[in-house]
Amino acid sequence: GENVEQHPSTLSVQEGDSAVIKCTYSDSASNYFPWYKQELGKRPQLIIDIRSNVGEKKDQRIAVTLNKTAKHFSLHITETQPEDSAVYFCAASRGQTGGFKTIFGAGTRLFVKA
Amino acid sequence: GAVVSQHPSWVICKSGTSVKIECRSLDFQATTMFWYRQFPKQSLMLMATSNEGSKATYEQGVEKDKFLINHASLTLSTLTVTSAHPEDSSFYICSAEGSGRAKDTQYFGPGTRLTVL
Repeated sequence: GENVEQHPSTLSVQEGDSAVIKCTYSDSASNYFPWYKQELGKRPQLIIDIRSNVGEKKDQRIAVTLNKTAKHFSLHITETQPEDSAVYFCAASRGQTGGFKTIFGAGTRLFVKA
Repeated sequence: GAVVSQHPSWVICKSGTSVKIECRSLDFQATTMFWYRQFPKQSLMLMATSNEGSKATYEQGVEKDKFLINHASLTLSTLTVTSAHPEDSSFYICSAEGSGRAKDTQYFGPGTRLTVL
């Protein structure tokens, strides 16, 4: 079945450094790729997303790139801060009858050391 | 942004009882709602997708008779865990997708922590 692989599972960086999380998806019909940040004990929150007709999108310190041919997409966080520490989930989604089919990656636990 | 609420936020019940969890979209009409389970330190596992006024679509391996989903209106979906057992203890999260600014994006509820004794 369809799946989304996410790497690394854990990432530790020094404050101010960049962090990169990568995801690979298998469903070639996927056309929407959101990233969620989940702080401990809280709900996932959408931080950035990209659609299949775009190769890159940036929002302040966060950027996402998409390579449709290779079926992978990445989250880039620059100038990391301690408050960036959280679990990040990627997802690949496609429209289907009755709604969107979304598959989540396993998550990456990001630690930003002050 | 679009707001989704869940009730209750946590519940403890005895084995064999049924528990109902509500998911509401507060400021938009949710054409589609999703129910997830999340085990500690693990990813979200999609259980089912529900559209207003129609039967839910369950993911493979999810017992539809055990996890009853009702999406009676454009702002409310309910998940009922019937005859709950300790292995059903988990964090249940709903999300909703709708029209306008909520289109093509899932907004998550705060989750419900279920503990079955």
